[in-house]
This record gives sequence, C-alpha cells and structure tokens, in this order.
Amino acid sequence: GDSVTQMEGPVTLSEEAFLTINCTYTATGYPSLFWYVQYPGEGLQLLLKATKADDKGSNKGFEATYRKETTSFHLEKGSVQVSDSAVYFCALSPYNTNAGKSTFGDGTTLTVKP
Amino acid sequence: DTGVSQNPRHKITKRGQNVTFRCDPISEHNRLYWYRQTLGQGPEFLTYFQNEAQLEKSRLLSDRFSAERPKGSFSTLEIQRTEQGDSAMYLCASSLDGTGNVQPQHFGDGTRLSIL
Repeated sequence: GDSVTQMEGPVTLSEEAFLTINCTYTATGYPSLFWYVQYPGEGLQLLLKATKADDKGSNKGFEATYRKETTSFHLEKGSVQVSDSAVYFCALSPYNTNAGKSTFGDGTTLTVKP
Repeated sequence: DTGVSQNPRHKITKRGQNVTFRCDPISEHNRLYWYRQTLGQGPEFLTYFQNEAQLEKSRLLSDRFSAERPKGSFSTLEIQRTEQGDSAMYLCASSLDGTGNVQPQHFGDGTRLSIL
C-alpha cells in the first residue's frame, strides 16, 4: 500500500537558518503530493501541493519539488522565522481521484529559536 | 468560508460507553473524510463520503465504529463500547470532488477523545 516517510524530528533551528525536511513516498502510479502544517493548538492547514513530476509547490517562502525519480518531496525554506514553529506533515493522494484517502507521514516538529 | 467545524472539541468518557462526534464541512464541499490521529503520528484514514455515499472504509474502522452523512451535509462518527485504545484525536476534513484534479483537504480542529 501507499506510504510516506518523513525525517524524524524534532528539528531545532535558529532564526534565518535554512530548513530542509525530507519526505519520501511509496505509491503506485502518479500520486499528488502535499505538505500540511499544524500550528500549536490549531488544525492541519495545507501549505503547498504538487500534482505531477517536476512540479514545484510554493507558499509562504516554503518550496517542495515533486521528484519521481527519487520518489521524494522535500520541504525547504531559505530563512525560517520563529512563527514557522509547527508540526509539518507530508502526504499523498492516489492518482485515482475516486480513491479518497490521503496517506500522511508521522510529522516533523520544527522549533525556531530567536 | 467558515471552515470545517467539529463538535465537541473534547470528550471524556468511561470505557464501554458510546460516543458520537459531529462534523460540519465547508458548505460547497461534497467530499468528507474522517481520520484518527494519535500522539506523534500522522492522521490515519478511517472513512470518506462523496455526498451521502460512504465510498471507502479503512480496516481500522472496526464494527464498533459507524459513520453517517445522511443528507450529504454534516456527518457523525459513532464509537460503541469504547476501549482504551480509542483514545485519540478524531479529525474531519472536506474537499471538492476533483473530477480528475486532486483537491486538497480542509481540516477541522478535531475532537479529542479520552477514555477513562
């Protein structure tokens, strides 16, 4: 079945540091890939998405590129802020859009210190 | 867009009791999903609806769990004869039907269930 593997956390960075959170997946066909973010005390929010190979999703300074050859969708940000402290989840949805479920990784907790 | 609403936010109950959670999706969304999330894990898929039809159920959804979406709007998730292992955050999400283009899911804040 489908699966998503994220780098283990927690990750602690200083403000303005470069961020990478690794995500690899296993799926049949060509899934759509997502990053969701969960701020303290809030629900999951979509951060960015990519629906086909070589697509780059971007939002709020975060980027991730759909790499089919390495089955990866790593999240990056050039300069993190304290407000980026949250839990980040990588997820996929199968190619067949009639199959509704998304498969999530276990999340990576990011703490950014001033 | 008022977002996905879940009630209650917290539920504490004794083992063996029945509990019911409600989810109100974003009004124009015809797909509704239920997930379960335990500490340190990502959300695990339970079931989803397209309008009022329940199209997929996970093997995680034992016969003690039942979900309904009677008019294709709000949904309820009931757990009968609760067990300690049912303690978790229950998340609801909704989305549009992508009709060939996968649509992102919008999540509620969840209902946290604690079994005493």
